[in-house]
Amino acid sequence: QVELVQSGGAVVQPGGSLRLSCVGSGFTFSDHALHWVRQAPGKGLEWLAGISYNGDIQYYSDSMKGRLTISRDNGKDTLHLQINSLRGDDTAVFYCAREFRVGDGGFDVWGQGTVVTVSS
Amino acid sequence: QAGLTQPPSVSMGLRQTATLACTGDTNNVGGQGAAWLVHYQGHPPKLLSHRDNTRPSGISERFSASRSGNTASLTIAGLQPEDETVYYCSAWDSRVGAWVFGGGTKLTVL
Repeated sequence: QVELVQSGGAVVQPGGSLRLSCVGSGFTFSDHALHWVRQAPGKGLEWLAGISYNGDIQYYSDSMKGRLTISRDNGKDTLHLQINSLRGDDTAVFYCAREFRVGDGGFDVWGQGTVVTVSS
Repeated sequence: QAGLTQPPSVSMGLRQTATLACTGDTNNVGGQGAAWLVHYQGHPPKLLSHRDNTRPSGISERFSASRSGNTASLTIAGLQPEDETVYYCSAWDSRVGAWVFGGGTKLTVL
């Protein structure tokens, strides 16, 4: 079936870095733009970053710009998110998501979520 | 980045119809529409409607989306107890070059 499976969540000290991964299966990975979204405790969903189907275009939310790098390896059907200079308020559940269709689609497939806890 | 505006909470009775609103501007909702998601805590969000107001495969006809100007709406007919959770709208903002989410609406089924 169509799915995204995430890995990489961890407990990280403030100032540390982390790389999250998201592997797609059941669909043509390279046909879709992909995104990362997070939900901090008690907060709503927040879009963080997106990447075009071929990886040529990346775009970021202002809230974490400069600390995030989104990348993809279409040969391995894998999406990554590198997060640097982690802070306590970055503690959240991070999700990867597939954009169904550029222009008028929504995020139709989501990873299971991975927990990132920033704490000393 | 400015987000989309959703009422924090809406309450409606069992088997009634609820309409959830999402207000943006011409750069986001008014431009390419808004997608709607439902989110149960502890689970990933689930897409209810694409930005063109079409339902993904498998989504009940009880859920319908529409747009008027810069405001998108999600209508949920025949409310069931399991509909009680949080609903989010999302849209691409062409001015800032980023996706934006609403703050979410907590739907209570009385």
